[in-house]
Amino acid sequence: AQKITQTQPGMFVQEKEAVTLDCTYDTSDPSYGLFWYKQPSSGEMIFLIYQGSYDQQNATEGRYSLNFQKARKSANLVISASQLGDSAMYFCAMRSLESQGNLIFGKGTKLSVKP
Amino acid sequence: EADIYQTPRYLVIGTGKKITLECSQTMGHDKMYWYQQDPGMELHLIHYSYGVNSTEKGDLSSESTVSRIRTEHFPLTLESARPSHTSQYLCASSGRGEAFFGQGTRLTVV
Repeated sequence: AQKITQTQPGMFVQEKEAVTLDCTYDTSDPSYGLFWYKQPSSGEMIFLIYQGSYDQQNATEGRYSLNFQKARKSANLVISASQLGDSAMYFCAMRSLESQGNLIFGKGTKLSVKP
Repeated sequence: EADIYQTPRYLVIGTGKKITLECSQTMGHDKMYWYQQDPGMELHLIHYSYGVNSTEKGDLSSESTVSRIRTEHFPLTLESARPSHTSQYLCASSGRGEAFFGQGTRLTVV
């Protein structure tokens, strides 16, 4: 069965430093997509970055990059130069045929950026 | 910016009342979803739809029902609200890429 695991319930980072949020996944599908979403305290879900299972290079979007290690089944999110506005919940998610194309989510990591 | 809208944003309602949470998207997406999320917790899929006249139950059992009469509209209904239904409900839609989410409805049943 598919599963997303985020082992860090909470993380602290100093403003302007980089932080890595961990995500491991489990699926038997050879083709899948991995997503990261940010959820501020206001509650909306904001898409950050996507990595396809066949992508050869790690995805990057501005200050966000995805450290994709397929053999280890990990898809860690790296946020560079943290800002106070980065304080939020971060969710890793996966989609594949096994999930009928639906996104399944991990439990999330609460990131707090300290000034 | 994603064009998916949920109303109401907040709702406090008494036990036993019937409620409908609205969700509309203007992106022409066939796939739509409803997730339930308790504060600070993970999202659980409760319903999804592949398109008009298609509705499927998700991984988390829910007493709610959904309908998909039009591509753009995917309302969720609770026939008789209970305090255990207190939660945030998030609607989403997707094409071939990422899912776009509405702002959510925070439901409190008293």
